[in-house]
Amino acid sequence: SQQGEEDPQALSIQEGENATMNCSYKTSINNLQWYRQNSGRGLVHLILIRSNEREKHSGRLRVTLDTSKKSSSLLITASRAADTASYFCATVRAGGSEKLVFGKGTKLTVNP
Amino acid sequence: GAGVSQSPSNKVTEKGKDVELRCDPISGHTALYWYRQSLGQGLEFLIYFQGNSAPDKSGLPSDRFSAERTGGSVSTLTIQRTQQEDSAVYLCASSPVGGQGTFGPGTRLTVL
Repeated sequence: SQQGEEDPQALSIQEGENATMNCSYKTSINNLQWYRQNSGRGLVHLILIRSNEREKHSGRLRVTLDTSKKSSSLLITASRAADTASYFCATVRAGGSEKLVFGKGTKLTVNP
Repeated sequence: GAGVSQSPSNKVTEKGKDVELRCDPISGHTALYWYRQSLGQGLEFLIYFQGNSAPDKSGLPSDRFSAERTGGSVSTLTIQRTQQEDSAVYLCASSPVGGQGTFGPGTRLTVL
């Protein structure tokens, strides 16, 4: 069954605006990861946040984690056309099989 | 190698034929995953290998699907008696235990 659920399913913004994507999950986790997929194939890892962390930054990316609400958000600041992609969250469940389970993704379009 | 490689990159086959998809993970990564992604959809978990533990096969959609990982390294996903609904991109990823996943470029399977 799906562990992570991203919302919105699709998001369209103008270049320079911020983009926020959310992820909710169902079980206790060890960590949560965000990935990007450009149209095509491979996924690229963006950020990993552990269950005892609340916020993490990487360049224009900011990820928050609220374990009490079982949710995470990915913020992309000052978006660029090149940020157009699908973004997925994935969780590693605590205390069980440590497999990565993905949500369905948010399709982000940044218009120039 | 520097990354995860998959072969072939594209495979076209006729309904009813068997196919084998190969994944070469990053050396030293103990975890290896197979996912399937249909056009515009999220990642569907298929199978997870972790070290010498029994694989988590809970995502395999039918007994036509099987996978092996030899010597804790290379993995082969086999689909027997392919059906048109098997058409998808098959993605392999490897990681340290519970850590950041690195994806291969995928194999696009088309069943005619």
